[in-house]
Amino acid sequence: QLQLQESGPGLVKPPETLSLTCTVSGGSISSTAYYWAWIRQPPGKGLEWIASIYYSRTTYYNPSLRSRVTIFIDTSKNQFSLELNSVTAADTAMYFCARHSLRGGCNIWGQGTLVTVSS
Amino acid sequence: DIQMTQSPSSLSASVGDRVTITCRASESINNYLNWYQQRPGKAPRLLIYGASSLQSGVPSRFSGSASGTDFIFTISSLQPEDFATYYCQQSSSTPYTFGQGTKLEIK
Repeated sequence: QLQLQESGPGLVKPPETLSLTCTVSGGSISSTAYYWAWIRQPPGKGLEWIASIYYSRTTYYNPSLRSRVTIFIDTSKNQFSLELNSVTAADTAMYFCARHSLRGGCNIWGQGTLVTVSS
Repeated sequence: DIQMTQSPSSLSASVGDRVTITCRASESINNYLNWYQQRPGKAPRLLIYGASSLQSGVPSRFSGSASGTDFIFTISSLQPEDFATYYCQQSSSTPYTFGQGTKLEIK
């Protein structure tokens, strides 16, 4: 079945750029039925949607992060990625990638990757 | 942004109890409301989508309902594996927003 796996550095120095990749296996990222999302969760806190992307490269961003975030997709590698620049300690969180349908819930999630922002 | 107000923030209950969690949207979301379960150290798991549709593979003791901008999530008979944190999420419009979460603990 379809699986998602996040990868990227676990430690990022402020004010550098956080870069994460989600690899999709067991299915195609080019499916017309689904969108691909990044969601984060600071330690001990709730969930925050960051951005979503469609295989056609249509993107949707959380306005609270829009000035610092880029989401992009590589259909040839079956991957999508997140870049968050000018990071601060407030960006320390577990970062999840997920799949969702238009206006649907996230029905498949990666296991998450913890990113710590610290000098 | 659409605000999702979830209550209670925590709840103590016993195995076999019926529990309900509520979520209120700050505006109409046309029942595009999802419920997730998150166990410690794990990714969230989708339980209910579209306010009342049960995700495939999810036990039938979980259910959801809607009345306007108010949404209710119910576990009919708590099992030991149900003690976790639950979140609502609206997927009507971006930015998709989550409720603050309800931590369900063993009494």
